[in-house]
Amino acid sequence: SQTIHQWPATLVQPVGSPLSLECTVEGTSNPNLYWYRQAAGRGLQLLFYSVGIGQISSEVPQNLSASRPQDRQFILSSKKLLLSDSGFYLCAWSKGTELINYFGQGTRLTVV
Amino acid sequence: AQSVTQPDIHITVSEGASLELRCNYSYGATPYLFWYVQSPGQGLQLLLKYFSGDTLVQGIKGFEAEFKRSQSSFNLRKPSVHWSDAAEYFCAVVSGSARQLTFGSGTQLTVLP
Repeated sequence: SQTIHQWPATLVQPVGSPLSLECTVEGTSNPNLYWYRQAAGRGLQLLFYSVGIGQISSEVPQNLSASRPQDRQFILSSKKLLLSDSGFYLCAWSKGTELINYFGQGTRLTVV
Repeated sequence: AQSVTQPDIHITVSEGASLELRCNYSYGATPYLFWYVQSPGQGLQLLLKYFSGDTLVQGIKGFEAEFKRSQSSFNLRKPSVHWSDAAEYFCAVVSGSARQLTFGSGTQLTVLP
């Protein structure tokens, strides 16, 4: 069966520090991968998605970037965090022939 | 552009009462619709989905939803709410060729004993 792993679960980082959140999927190949963000009191917003290695699409211009160095690995990064980057970050995957997004457990990022 | 509206930010019901959470979508073609639930600090769990066919779909945990094209709605219902149903509920629609989702802003459900 397929599983998705996302870490760390919580993270507190100072303003101006770098960020790296990692997500991996097991049990499938060539998944579509996604990063969503949930800011306090708001719904979920798609940040990035990827349909293959090295292929990244950005939905919202911002301080963050994403990379897909391996088929089942998706990384969310920032060179310098802003206070507004605080939120709950969710990684998700879907199989290209299916429509369902399956979500990881999320990372709670607090920028102080 | 596709959009999803959940008009109710917060709903409070008593345990055992019926529940209906509203969802309206804006989408030009046949929508693929979902309801997800999120417990505090957790990821999202899929409750149910609508792709085509029968407009009344059954999901997990006793939930159901009805797709009404004429009203552009996909409301979630449960006949008798349990205290464990307290959570945040998100309606979503597939919005792109990469199967990415557009979400509503969510409805927070509180269940009173």
